[in-house]
Amino acid sequence: AQSVAQPEDQVNVAEGNPLTVKCTYSVSGNPYLFWYVQYPNRGLQFLLKYITGDNLVKGSYGFEAEFNKSQTSFHLKKPSALVSDSALYFCAVRDDNYGQNFVFGPGTRLSALP
Amino acid sequence: DVKVTQSSRYLVKRTGEKVFLECVQDMDHENMFWYRQDPGLGLRLIYFSYDVKMKEKGDIPEGYSVSREKKERFSLILESASTNQTSMYLCASSSRYTEAFFGQGTRLTVV
Repeated sequence: AQSVAQPEDQVNVAEGNPLTVKCTYSVSGNPYLFWYVQYPNRGLQFLLKYITGDNLVKGSYGFEAEFNKSQTSFHLKKPSALVSDSALYFCAVRDDNYGQNFVFGPGTRLSALP
Repeated sequence: DVKVTQSSRYLVKRTGEKVFLECVQDMDHENMFWYRQDPGLGLRLIYFSYDVKMKEKGDIPEGYSVSREKKERFSLILESASTNQTSMYLCASSSRYTEAFFGQGTRLTVV
């Protein structure tokens, strides 16, 4: 079975500092990995994905993530946080051995403080 | 601009009512999904569909049914709404190698 863990419910960061939101996954086959952001009372917005190729993936709004197969991790990073980055972040995985479903982590709330 | 559109942003229904949540996508995606989102529980899959007239149960299908008569439309049905179905409902669509594209969500309150 496939699963996603986001070990931190809440991450606080000062504006201008680098931010990291952690994600680890478990799949039986090859993982497709995704990050989404959600603002209050809105749907999820796609940030970036890893399907194959370069382990460092760059996405929207200056975010990037690094796929680490040995550690089964896909941490989201940004060099310099903005107050407007404050939101709920979800990591998701899809394992082609289990069809086309996406499994989401529980979410991490990021607060970027001025 | 690709779009997944949910029919309502906010909905208030009475206990026992039959409720329809509609979702339409314009990307010709074969896969469509219904999730519910509750604080602390993340997104839980209710039903998904990988083709017209096909449906599969997700993790929490009890109390729900779905309909997919056309490729672009996926409906979620609450046969007899209950207060424990008060939640945020999210529709999404995808193709084999794409990410999931989400609608704006429907916040349903059952009173």
